[in-house]
Amino acid sequence: GESVGLHLPTLSVQEGDNSIINCAYSNSASDYFIWYKQESGKGPQFIIDIRSNMDKRQGQRVTVLLNKTVKHLSLQIAATQPGDSAVYFCAENIGRGGGADGLTFGKGTHLIIQP
Amino acid sequence: DVKVTQSSRYLVKRTGEKVFLECVQDMDHENMFWYRQDPGLGLRLIYFSYDVKMKEKGDIPEGYSVSREKKERFSLILESASTNQTSMYLCASSPQSGAVGQYFGPGTRLTVT
Repeated sequence: GESVGLHLPTLSVQEGDNSIINCAYSNSASDYFIWYKQESGKGPQFIIDIRSNMDKRQGQRVTVLLNKTVKHLSLQIAATQPGDSAVYFCAENIGRGGGADGLTFGKGTHLIIQP
Repeated sequence: DVKVTQSSRYLVKRTGEKVFLECVQDMDHENMFWYRQDPGLGLRLIYFSYDVKMKEKGDIPEGYSVSREKKERFSLILESASTNQTSMYLCASSPQSGAVGQYFGPGTRLTVT
């Protein structure tokens, strides 16, 4: 399954399938991107990040791809499990200065796992 | 493990009341942030701080103020709560370098009646 995070807020996949969640970011000067997972009733949890000098980064069962040409970010989750059910947010660092790194968040995609 | 804690999970206040939301982090992070999260709008930055006694406005600071008297604590203040401030409030912290992402607390769901 594939979704555009800002235009399709829900993605439903079968347990065991791979999930792909997409995100379009806005600022071509952004140099750092993060994916967060937010389970119901909890705060966002850091999953994986990537810097703009990379186009791919892998973690445990997750891969983030960055296409700077079209300002597109995707999160791939391999062998989706019930515990992956959550809302997933992409975030870009817009560098507000003063040493603090403010992030701009996408609106999120709700990933639903079908048994 | 990094821990960001918020003083309340649920809070109900009346219109016009002064409301304090407290956030504490235990990782000696320089940066701290307050967001609100609303359906369809995602996370929006209210205020942030990159040092003790320093504060910067985020995208939606109107109706809010903040206080950072100690490095580990960042307070969000609603001077006179209004119903449109009913929301989920999330606190986050990060180290100065920004080499890692922000760590979030569990959130405070505030209802203003």
